[in-house]
Amino acid sequence: QQQVKQSPQSLIVQKGGISIINCAYENTAFDYFPWYQQFPGKGPALLIAIRPDVSEKKEGRFTISFNKSAKQFSLHIMDSQPGDSATYFCAAPLGNDYKLSFGAGTTVTVRA
Amino acid sequence: NAGVTQTPKFQVLKTGQSMTLQCAQDMNHNSMYWYRQDPGMGLRLIYYSASEGTTDKGEVPNGYNVSRLNKREFSLRLESAAPSQTSVYFCASSEVGVRVGQPQHFGDGTRLSIL
Repeated sequence: QQQVKQSPQSLIVQKGGISIINCAYENTAFDYFPWYQQFPGKGPALLIAIRPDVSEKKEGRFTISFNKSAKQFSLHIMDSQPGDSATYFCAAPLGNDYKLSFGAGTTVTVRA
Repeated sequence: NAGVTQTPKFQVLKTGQSMTLQCAQDMNHNSMYWYRQDPGMGLRLIYYSASEGTTDKGEVPNGYNVSRLNKREFSLRLESAAPSQTSVYFCASSEVGVRVGQPQHFGDGTRLSIL
């Protein structure tokens, strides 16, 4: 069973629009929430991650926010570009330093 | 710099056959992982090796065995393949665990079909 619930399963956004992906977790060993980006035929790659000392982190057009009381975190892609079309996975540490529990993934399609 | 290399890239097996998936990293990382990716399920951890000489079970270890051959190599073995093991398998490595914010670096996967 999925320890991290991710939604939506897929989304389509126009170029220049905002993509929003949400994740909720049940329990976590410590507060570290990474997001991975995966292109077809490739392995996932770390996109951005948030640590417990901040509630929001921004890197370029990508922003992640974290709500500890609600046990939720989210990824916002601003000014979405066709090159952002990919599958995005959220993750949370499960049990120890080495066990990451991944969400089911969100496929983002950016229309030109 | 190759990063994480997985072999083979594709494989078709018959039920009951055995197979070893190979993984090697050239980043001098201490920790290595095996995941499987299935539609709608995300990535699920099969086994991991926190450091050379150690291996531990992840979420879905049944039907698999692993060997940390040395610091660079971590193999995954299916002793008697079953159709339920049809999946895309990813190997990953990291310098240390995620607590200090170290990312996991993934290979490009092995696509395994079991008939």
